[in-house]
Amino acid sequence: SAVISQKPSRDICQRGTSLTIQCQVDSQVTMMFWYRQQPGQSLTLIATANQGSEATYESGFVIDKFPISRPNLTFSTLTVSNMSPEDSSIYLCSVESRAGYDTEAFFGQGTRLTVV
Amino acid sequence: AQSVTQLGSHVSVSEGALVLLRCNYSSSVPPYLFWYVQYPNQGLQLLLKYTSAATLVKGINGFEAEFKKSETSFHLTKPSAHMSDAAEYFCAVSDSGGYQKVTFGIGTKLQVIP
Repeated sequence: SAVISQKPSRDICQRGTSLTIQCQVDSQVTMMFWYRQQPGQSLTLIATANQGSEATYESGFVIDKFPISRPNLTFSTLTVSNMSPEDSSIYLCSVESRAGYDTEAFFGQGTRLTVV
Repeated sequence: AQSVTQLGSHVSVSEGALVLLRCNYSSSVPPYLFWYVQYPNQGLQLLLKYTSAATLVKGINGFEAEFKKSETSFHLTKPSAHMSDAAEYFCAVSDSGGYQKVTFGIGTKLQVIP
């Protein structure tokens, strides 16, 4: 299994500013994922972050808006840049952890962002 | 393309009553299906998953789900609701078994009435 610590748990930010969300895992993992959950909507994958390479972004998400760092196998950050009220969401970090022939996804508790 | 539809964004049941949360999926290949639960201020936790083995899947906390290919459904059930079951439940589908391309439903908030 994997235990994920995500910081901050919530924040209220002014429009035009940036917020960096941290994700720390208690074990080494190859792939880390960042999701967004907008109010009343399902989770949407923003990007996949592998250590040592640039993140792979899903359609509709760009690096300039959501830069991601992955300096090692246990840590990643997601920055929400030049924020607007439309960025108000819950952002979740997730990892895929293998156990024998099986895999499971583990999620952080999320960061609830409100942009005013 | 794959998609998930959860019928009912809010479901209320009495304590001790049957819990039924509906999920229908669309997938171009045999799917992998998941149910996750999210308690307040916590991350998502895997309840159960279907990976082409037994069609009736048993999960944690007394939950189970049945894969019905003919109905493209994967409804979540529990015979008797407990107050601690109050949470948000997400159905999800993947065409690969891994988690790189998981599509989530919108979620169903379960309220348990004493």
